[in-house]
Amino acid sequence: GENVEQHPSTLSVQEGDSAVIKCTYSDSASNYFPWYKQELGKGPQLIIDIRSNVGEKKDQRIAVTLNKTAKHFSLHITETQPEDSAVYFCAALYSGGGADGLTFGKGTHLIIQP
Amino acid sequence: DTEVTQTPKHLVMGMTNKKSLKCEQHMGHRAMYWYKQKAKKPPELMFVYSYEKLSINESVPSRFSPECPNSSLLNLHLHALQPEDSALYLCASSQEAWGNNEQFFGPGTRLTVL
Repeated sequence: GENVEQHPSTLSVQEGDSAVIKCTYSDSASNYFPWYKQELGKGPQLIIDIRSNVGEKKDQRIAVTLNKTAKHFSLHITETQPEDSAVYFCAALYSGGGADGLTFGKGTHLIIQP
Repeated sequence: DTEVTQTPKHLVMGMTNKKSLKCEQHMGHRAMYWYKQKAKKPPELMFVYSYEKLSINESVPSRFSPECPNSSLLNLHLHALQPEDSALYLCASSQEAWGNNEQFFGPGTRLTVL
């Protein structure tokens, strides 16, 4: 089965600085890689995703990069703001074999220092 | 309507009780999921329903019984639970179309088993 490793487990950055969270996956068949943000007491919110036919995707202050050869993908948040503080999860999935569950990384607690 | 709703928000039950969790979506999604999330851990897949049929059961104990009455509703029936079953139970849905597996999560039901 798929195994997703995520680092770091905690990341503290100054407001306005950039934050980078990295994940690696084990199953070369995985082709869909979403990122979720989870605030305290809430369900995970999909913030960005990338598919294996794309190397990079950007949405305003958030970007995701994918290196299929190395089997790793990263989340980049620029100009961080206090509301970016949350737990972020990466995940991997093989999309094309019918509905299947996501395999999540262990999560990164992002703390934005004012 | 682009959200997944879950009721109740909180549930406290004894080990001999029978209760049910409910999940609803009106996005026309044909795949629905139950995940379990313990504190400070990532969500873990329990069940997947595809076109109202159970397609994946991740070896979940029989004290958890899922049901999909129609394409918009997903229930999780609980009976004779143990204290270690206390967790956040998350429902998600996706379109269940090849190449389109974005999963959208509800806010979860916080379950406490006494």
